[in-house]
Amino acid sequence: NAGVTQTPKFQVLKTGQSMTLQCAQDMNHEYMSWYRQDPGMGLRLIHYSVGAGITDQGEVPNGYNVSRSTTEDFPLRLLSAAPSQTSVYFCATQELNSPLHFGNGTRLTVT
Amino acid sequence: DAKTTQPPSMDCAEGRAANLPCNHSTISGNEYVYWYRQIHSQGPQYIIHGLKNNETNEMASLIITEDRKSSTLILPHATLRDTAVYYCIVRAVYMDSNYQLIWGAGTKLIIKP
Repeated sequence: NAGVTQTPKFQVLKTGQSMTLQCAQDMNHEYMSWYRQDPGMGLRLIHYSVGAGITDQGEVPNGYNVSRSTTEDFPLRLLSAAPSQTSVYFCATQELNSPLHFGNGTRLTVT
Repeated sequence: DAKTTQPPSMDCAEGRAANLPCNHSTISGNEYVYWYRQIHSQGPQYIIHGLKNNETNEMASLIITEDRKSSTLILPHATLRDTAVYYCIVRAVYMDSNYQLIWGAGTKLIIKP
């Protein structure tokens, strides 16, 4: 039982490049979400999904896209990377009324 | 803005109880208090949560004041492995189209030998 798996663990991009951060879960949780965490700060919600086929924006959605074609996967796409998107990205899953389960993060640097 | 206020840092001696305070004066009746911790930039780890009664599990105790405007997380016998950033968060039970958690900067707890 792997829980929440994020790949890659580290990534360096040049400004303007695109990429997809992967998040997979094996807990059959309906709710999945993406957060970013900048140095010394708490997490900020980017996008979330309450089930397959349903996504919605969080606090800081600009520059990111998501899709949820299956319960297990919730990829986060950076359309055109910018230095301001340098951050640590966390994926989380949850069942209703239960705590969040987090992956171990993807550390992204945009130069 | 975060719905909770925590001190930015605290120290505690190894083996002693660590008491981490949190103010949430605008908490609503349907909002729970959750505590997570983050060790060395790993993903946050759930610790405990409560609505209005005090709660205890194998990791910690949560004391919520009667007016629910503040709470305290207690690690009864702190070890060096408890050094982490601790986050206090309030959230509603249900999820709707406006659902999101607001995370503050947390309290950096340093356990000293």
